[in-house]
Amino acid sequence: DSGVTQTPKHLITATGQRVTLRCSPRSGDLSVYWYQQSLDQGLQFLIQYYNGEERAKGNILERFSAQQFPDLHSELNLSSLELGDSALYFCASSVVSVMRTDTQYFGPGTRLTVL
Amino acid sequence: KNQVEQSPQSLIILEGKNCTLQCNYTVSPFSNLRWYKQDTGRGPVSLTIMTFSENTKSNGRYTATLDADTKQSSLHITASQLSDSASYICVVSESGGGADGLTFGKGTHLIIQP
Repeated sequence: DSGVTQTPKHLITATGQRVTLRCSPRSGDLSVYWYQQSLDQGLQFLIQYYNGEERAKGNILERFSAQQFPDLHSELNLSSLELGDSALYFCASSVVSVMRTDTQYFGPGTRLTVL
Repeated sequence: KNQVEQSPQSLIILEGKNCTLQCNYTVSPFSNLRWYKQDTGRGPVSLTIMTFSENTKSNGRYTATLDADTKQSSLHITASQLSDSASYICVVSESGGGADGLTFGKGTHLIIQP
């Protein structure tokens, strides 16, 4: 158990809908990272927040947004869902804002299925 | 364009045998290279992190090597166990260390047979 929690574990929804994925980082970690993992693409970095502020942005679609709250939990919002958005979504956390050799701890993931 | 290529894509070995997984990268400027183990349906777990100046790093039966000149890394697993069955992902970070500078390999899927 990494100490990072994600809810829900599974989510099934229809195209065009909007969903919210939630992540609670390890105690003491200020950075939260969101990743998407699909079968053909592997892991892709979406976005990072550090202590409530956006710190780095990866291949995140405009239909997707995220935020980190004062209690440091984070939410990833996915809207106008398409079939191709079906994937595993992972949250990770770390202590620092700039990774360098800092270890990221991954949560168990949310499996999103868009029908 | 920064790329990380892993080989083989998949590998099947017998329990107790050793194996070596490869990672070649074109990421520049280089900051560090990480190996992760990912069990099916679960989040990745960090095995090793190596910077430019490190040639080798061990974590139990896992030993990673890095040749920054040839931009190659390998992960050697000694005396494999059934629990080693997983995907192994190589991740290379650009200098600066930002999360947006990460390039992920697609992983090697390892199956250990009894």
